[in-house]
Amino acid sequence: DTGVSQNPRHKITKRGQNVTFRCDPISEHNRLYWYRQTLGQGPEFLTYFQNEAQLEKSRLLSDRFSAERPKGSFSTLEIQRTEQGDSAMYLCASSFTLSSSYNEQFFGPGTRLTVL
Amino acid sequence: GESVGLHLPTLSVQEGDNSIINCAYSNSASDYFIWYKQESGKGPQFIIDIRSNMDKRQGQRVTVLLNKTVKHLSLQIAATQPGDSAVYFCAENRGSSASKIIFGSGTRLSIRP
Repeated sequence: DTGVSQNPRHKITKRGQNVTFRCDPISEHNRLYWYRQTLGQGPEFLTYFQNEAQLEKSRLLSDRFSAERPKGSFSTLEIQRTEQGDSAMYLCASSFTLSSSYNEQFFGPGTRLTVL
Repeated sequence: GESVGLHLPTLSVQEGDNSIINCAYSNSASDYFIWYKQESGKGPQFIIDIRSNMDKRQGQRVTVLLNKTVKHLSLQIAATQPGDSAVYFCAENRGSSASKIIFGSGTRLSIRP
């Protein structure tokens, strides 16, 4: 399968614990995006990388959230001291973008986080 | 603030009929719109897009119409099939470098046999 993959698919954790999610984009896609989706809502943009550089972060991304893409390939999203309000689906997407014009973002299946 | 993708939450259609899913937006400067389909347990899947210099675009069994005067977007699905059951989002591409997609709340399409 050459699509975007995310691991784990499901994560249940207790409040206050740290969690880390991984996203593997489509090979050679230079941009990688993270979104959060709560039940009944559309995905909300969190942040994106162009290669290894994190170029934009949403106000939704509090200090407890950190994302990395160290080698410009896979990315990790870490949430520290999880809160019940962090429960959501975390979606990763990737695209091949050379200019400022839109290029299709391909989404992964998401990681569903439940904070007890 | 300005929003995109104000949907009716649900739509039920008879199998074989045409489906029309509507969306309103408020930002008159919006210039690129995308329709996504999201099936249960999956990420959003691109269906079709349209730029603001167009008012209609057709794909396979789908047509998107854009009315900039009233800031309205619609997705038409011809001969709706059970596999079309999903949540449909209209979305806008924003950001200085086309970096983010702004999604609406979505419309859940159900197919009656």
